[in-house]
Amino acid sequence: KAGVTQTPRYLIKTRGQQVTLSCSPISGHRSVSWYQQTPGQGLQFLFEYFSETQRNKGNFPGRFSGRQFSNSRSEMNVSTLELGDSALYLCASSSRDTDYTGELFFGEGSRLTVL
Amino acid sequence: DQQVKQNSPSLSVQEGRISILNCDYTNSMFDYFLWYKKYPAEGPTFLISISSIKDKNEDGRFTVFLNKSAKHLSLHIVPSQPGDSAVYFCAASHFNNNDMRFGAGTRLTVKP
Repeated sequence: KAGVTQTPRYLIKTRGQQVTLSCSPISGHRSVSWYQQTPGQGLQFLFEYFSETQRNKGNFPGRFSGRQFSNSRSEMNVSTLELGDSALYLCASSSRDTDYTGELFFGEGSRLTVL
Repeated sequence: DQQVKQNSPSLSVQEGRISILNCDYTNSMFDYFLWYKKYPAEGPTFLISISSIKDKNEDGRFTVFLNKSAKHLSLHIVPSQPGDSAVYFCAASHFNNNDMRFGAGTRLTVKP
C-alpha cells in the first residue's frame, strides 16, 4: 500500500507570497490532518479534514487554510507568507475505521523556506 | 498550552541496554497515547500506542507503560540497538479528532 505522498518536498518563497501544498493520503483513508513542525514550537496541529469537511482547526491565523477533495486528497494554502512560516509541513492520514487506535500515518513533509 | 511534555531533550545509552523515554501530560481526557520515531528529513513513523483504558502495551522490543494517576507514560526499548537512534515524540489524542498533541521530542543515541 503506498504511503502518504506530499508535494513539493522543498520550496522557497519570499515574504508576502502565497503557497499551496498537496497531500495524497493512503488509499482508503478519509481523514487528513496537517501539522507544522518548527524547531521552537515542535509539532503543532493545523487542521483536519474528513470527507471534504474541516472537522477541527488548530490555533493558527486565517492565512492558513485547507481543503479536501472527493478523492480524499488535500491541499493547504498559506497566504501572505511571513518569515515565521518557514517550517516543515506534515500531512497525516488515518482510516477512522473500527480498528482505529489513534495512529496517524505521516508523509515526509514539505519543507518551506520563506526569505 | 503544552499538554504533552517530554522533559529530556536527549538520552544516550549503550547498545544492548534499556532505553527509557518519559512523557507527562496534563489533560486526563486523552483517549490514546502514542510514540513516534523520526529521522531527519522524514515524517514521524508510528511506533506503538496505548489506549487510556490500559496500562501496558508491548510490541517486540518496545513497551509503553501508562500511569494515569501520575499522568505519565514511558517507552522502554530493550535491548537498544544503534538503529534506534532517532528523535522520539510522545503524542496524545482524543478518539473523535486528530488534533494530536505532541511533546517536544527526545533525541535518543544508542552507542555501539
